[in-house]
Amino acid sequence: KAGVTQTPRYLIKTRGQQVTLSCSPISGHRSVSWYQQTPGQGLQFLFEYFSETQRNKGNFPGRFSGRQFSNSRSEMNVSTLELGDSALYLCASSLADLNNEQFFGPGTRLTVL
Amino acid sequence: GNSVTQMEGPVTLSEEAFLTINCTYTATGYPSLFWYVQYPGEGLQLLLKATKADDKGSNKGFEATYRKETTSFHLEKGSVQVSDSAVYFCALSGENSGYSTLTFGKGTMLLVSP
Repeated sequence: KAGVTQTPRYLIKTRGQQVTLSCSPISGHRSVSWYQQTPGQGLQFLFEYFSETQRNKGNFPGRFSGRQFSNSRSEMNVSTLELGDSALYLCASSLADLNNEQFFGPGTRLTVL
Repeated sequence: GNSVTQMEGPVTLSEEAFLTINCTYTATGYPSLFWYVQYPGEGLQLLLKATKADDKGSNKGFEATYRKETTSFHLEKGSVQVSDSAVYFCALSGENSGYSTLTFGKGTMLLVSP
């Protein structure tokens, strides 16, 4: 089975721009979660989608949004980028059962200049 | 809310030394517990997990036991290798999110020298 894929792998943007990141989960996985990883804050949960609905949301401003399509692929969008949004954005997919084993993609490295 | 605390690194060891990375958690109910590993430039890989008290997760020589009485899930390995050098994250998923999201510790960097 192919793993979780994320595109693009690297992005450079300037302050004020917006960005869209994409995640394709493992086939058959219906839950997709997004995490932000920074040296200062570590790994922080952004949101989780299941069957095209946002099921859980972390403590991030409304500039961060996401969606999930009927094929379980997910996108996250960050508008009005700030320098502090520079981070590794990780996507994870799971079957969404109680064991909740999440499989992570390689991440998208976003740099905001 | 849920939280995970793990020892700060870096942890520096010689090859074949014994490894312990401490992890304690705060959560309501009965969370599932995980250890993830991140190699340089890569995403996270699940190393092991335990879903109920007294369960022992194990993989690739690493072990961790779910201790509810001490709210701990310490990672151990009897003999580390240079290839084990990576960042290790302790994490939990709790009832309050339907077990569908992960709360991570800050990570512990392990450096193993030959």
